[in-house]
Amino acid sequence: DQQVKQNSPSLSVQEGRISILNCDYTNSMFDYFLWYKKYPAEGPTFLISISSIKDKNEDGRFTVFLNKSAKHLSLHIVPSQPGDSAVYFCAATSAGGTSYGKLTFGQGTILTVHP
Amino acid sequence: GAGVSQSPSNKVTEKGKDVELRCDPISGHTALYWYRQSLGQGLEFLIYFQGNSAPDKSGLPSDRFSAERTGGSVSTLTIQRTQQEDSAVYLCASSLDHGGANTGELFFGEGSRLTVL
Repeated sequence: DQQVKQNSPSLSVQEGRISILNCDYTNSMFDYFLWYKKYPAEGPTFLISISSIKDKNEDGRFTVFLNKSAKHLSLHIVPSQPGDSAVYFCAATSAGGTSYGKLTFGQGTILTVHP
Repeated sequence: GAGVSQSPSNKVTEKGKDVELRCDPISGHTALYWYRQSLGQGLEFLIYFQGNSAPDKSGLPSDRFSAERTGGSVSTLTIQRTQQEDSAVYLCASSLDHGGANTGELFFGEGSRLTVL
């Protein structure tokens, strides 16, 4: 039972354009969502997060949007840069649990930004 | 070092053998997690340690898997009688965890790639 789904295994974007990565979840208990980025042979690194009390959170070129009614979130990267090429993981957790760090991850989306 | 350190980085073993994977978290981080990533899959939660509390073992896939954390710092994940489906990258992460102060921002190591032949 995949509670967090990233239905696009890969995405290819031109440098300078917008990258939009999508994520859907099924568990209505999730109330905190995160995006992690992973380069080959490295561990994932935290990128940006959003609480369910918000519908948008921005950090520089990265914006995460949350649509609770649709159980959908997206990560926008504007403008995209070649260095953004990596695997992006969506993750979710519940504040009612014992730890925010017990995350449920999606399968990841490989983003390739072409110069 | 400044980051989460894991060893070995690569381990090839034969089916039925036991393996131990080690994690050295960031100094001062009270919470430690083990995840694994199988080929083409997302990260799967295995176990969580917080201070001196009993660990949350709810993600361990079978009783062949166990983990301990000595002295609130270094952790060892042990897989007994390895099977081919245990082949994966095992990732350790640590974080500051003070109840609601933990935002889920985990600091991951580079992982230990386990291949069971």
